[in-house]
Amino acid sequence: QVQLQESGPGLVKPSETLSLTCSVSGVSISSHFWSWIRQPPGKGLEWIGYIYSSGSTNYNPSLKSRVTISVDTSKNQFSLKLSSVTAADTALYYCARRSSVGRIPGRVFLALDMWGQGTGVTVS
Amino acid sequence: AIQLTQSPSSLSASVGDRVTITCRASQGIRNDLGWYQQKPGKAPKLLIYASSNLQSGVPSRFSGSGSGTDFTLTISSLQPEDFATYYCLQDYNYPWTFGQGTKVELK
Repeated sequence: QVQLQESGPGLVKPSETLSLTCSVSGVSISSHFWSWIRQPPGKGLEWIGYIYSSGSTNYNPSLKSRVTISVDTSKNQFSLKLSSVTAADTALYYCARRSSVGRIPGRVFLALDMWGQGTGVTVS
Repeated sequence: AIQLTQSPSSLSASVGDRVTITCRASQGIRNDLGWYQQKPGKAPKLLIYASSNLQSGVPSRFSGSGSGTDFTLTISSLQPEDFATYYCLQDYNYPWTFGQGTKVELK
């Protein structure tokens, strides 16, 4: 079955770069959209951005100047880098797949249908 | 960015109750809205996509409706495993945005 697993340092110093990797198993990383979402402690969800397997990206403007999402198809992984972190970047970080979940004539429905378990990052 | 406002922010209900959660968008988003359930310590789980379509494997007591700016998630008969926080998510345009969440608690 499809599984996503986040990994990376749990503690990052202020002003440094947060780096996380999402390892995908059970499905090829090709031909799907792959997203990062985060959740500060006790708060709601924030979409960070996505990458398509071809390498095209889209980022949340609120983070765009600091975010880079990349994909390594040879390792079936994709990664998140967030630079110049502050305490406000402390959160649980999730990776997720956006994939086709249904269709009607003329339209394909996409949604975040598979998620990793999340990895906590503290900036301190 | 499109803002999604969920109401209520929290509610208390009993097993067997009918529960309705509302999500209002700051501008029209067609039916490009999904609903997610999150239990403590767990990742969100897709329940409904495109406003009213039940994701495979999700119990039929969950249903969604709406189009444009107003959407609802209904749980027809609340079960013990449904106590969780529910989020709406719009992917009509970028940046994708979530509602602030609705926590469903045991009365």
